[in-house]
Amino acid sequence: KQEVTQIPAALSVPEGENLVLNCSFTDSAIYNLQWFRQDPGKGLTSLLLIQSSQREQTSGRLNASLDKSSGRSTLYIAASQPGDSATYLCAVQGGNQFYFGTGTSLTVIP
Amino acid sequence: NAGVTQTPKFQVLKTGQSMTLQCAQDMNHNSMYWYRQDPGMGLRLIYYSASEGTTDKGEVPNGYNVSRLNKREFSLRLESAAPSQTSVYFCASSPGLAEETQYFGPGTRLLVL
Repeated sequence: KQEVTQIPAALSVPEGENLVLNCSFTDSAIYNLQWFRQDPGKGLTSLLLIQSSQREQTSGRLNASLDKSSGRSTLYIAASQPGDSATYLCAVQGGNQFYFGTGTSLTVIP
Repeated sequence: NAGVTQTPKFQVLKTGQSMTLQCAQDMNHNSMYWYRQDPGMGLRLIYYSASEGTTDKGEVPNGYNVSRLNKREFSLRLESAAPSQTSVYFCASSPGLAEETQYFGPGTRLLVL
């Protein structure tokens, strides 16, 4: 069974800092990996989707990388802002099943 | 364009009661999903529907049933609620099943006493 792990569980940084969130998975046979953002009491918003054949995706200040062979993905956030404060989750698709990590709670301090 | 909507937003049930969680999407997506989110467990897939007329089990289907009523609507039914089903339930949809971004609803908070 696929296991998805996100470390650290919580992260606090000062505004303007660049940061990296980590995601690891145990089975490299995946179709894709997605990064989501979840605000308290809300649903999930997709940030980036990386297909299995891709190495990275970029959207604005966000860059996500994927290394299937090592079972790792990173989400890089440049020049962090207080509005980036949220929980960030990664999810992998294997076959018709989807597996989520438990997330990293990010706080950006003004 | 409302995206994915879910009703109700919050529900309290007693053990043994039944209820149906409703989900609808207006993006003309083929695939729809039901997840539950529990503290420390992450989101877990309950059931999914790859396309209208089909449904399949996810990781944690026991105690639930689903109906893909039409292309827009996908409901989740608890026939006899148990305290272990206390959770936040999310519905999601995507254009297709494979390699597509999922769009999530706001969630339903369910408390089973």
